[in-house]
Amino acid sequence: AQKITQTQPGMFVQEKEAVTLDCTYDTSDQSYGLFWYKQPSSGEMIFLIYQGSYDEQNATEGRYSLNFQKARKSANLVISASQLGDSAMYFCAMREGLKGAQKLVFGQGTRLTINP
Amino acid sequence: EAQVTQNPRYLITVTGKKLTVTCSQNMNHEYMSWYRQDPGLGLRQIYYSMNVEVTDKGDVPEGYKVSRKEKRNFPLILESPSPNQTSLYFCASSPTPPPTHYGYTFGSGTRLTVV
Repeated sequence: AQKITQTQPGMFVQEKEAVTLDCTYDTSDQSYGLFWYKQPSSGEMIFLIYQGSYDEQNATEGRYSLNFQKARKSANLVISASQLGDSAMYFCAMREGLKGAQKLVFGQGTRLTINP
Repeated sequence: EAQVTQNPRYLITVTGKKLTVTCSQNMNHEYMSWYRQDPGLGLRQIYYSMNVEVTDKGDVPEGYKVSRKEKRNFPLILESPSPNQTSLYFCASSPTPPPTHYGYTFGSGTRLTVV
């Protein structure tokens, strides 16, 4: 079963608009972590934001915020005031528990294109 | 500069010719891992290492080998590459297993083509 699902293969947004990238996850652990990474066309993976399952506040990092809805098991990334440089592939990932699964599990990715 | 260094960045090889992709980190991280990225599948873990001489299989280990003789190095070995191993490969490291708040530090990636 897919642990992380990103249902938007591609999104096209006008510059300066806000963008929401969807991510739903599946886990039975009480303790887990959720991550978002950005992959520009150059290929490197850039860490954007982290949300722990016990964090009460939604995580924010500059223009990035994570809309964490625990009951719905969703962790959507919100980019405010989008810029041309935000055009990239975005991956949602999850770490399950504190022991056992020694990895991040990634979604399929969403390709975001910002139009001028 | 704290980083994970992968080499080569690009590699085209022929079926069956053994190759090694090197990975080195200068952050004294205990945990290192290899992923492959394929369109529509995201990143999938190949192997990981909790510390020196401790390695284990990830989700897609077939056709790959790894070793961790030193803390900083974690090479990925393809003994007999096949075209279905054409992919973008990432080495990643983390101070602790499993990765916590900052996730992984990734290398720049190796784009491998097997013909």
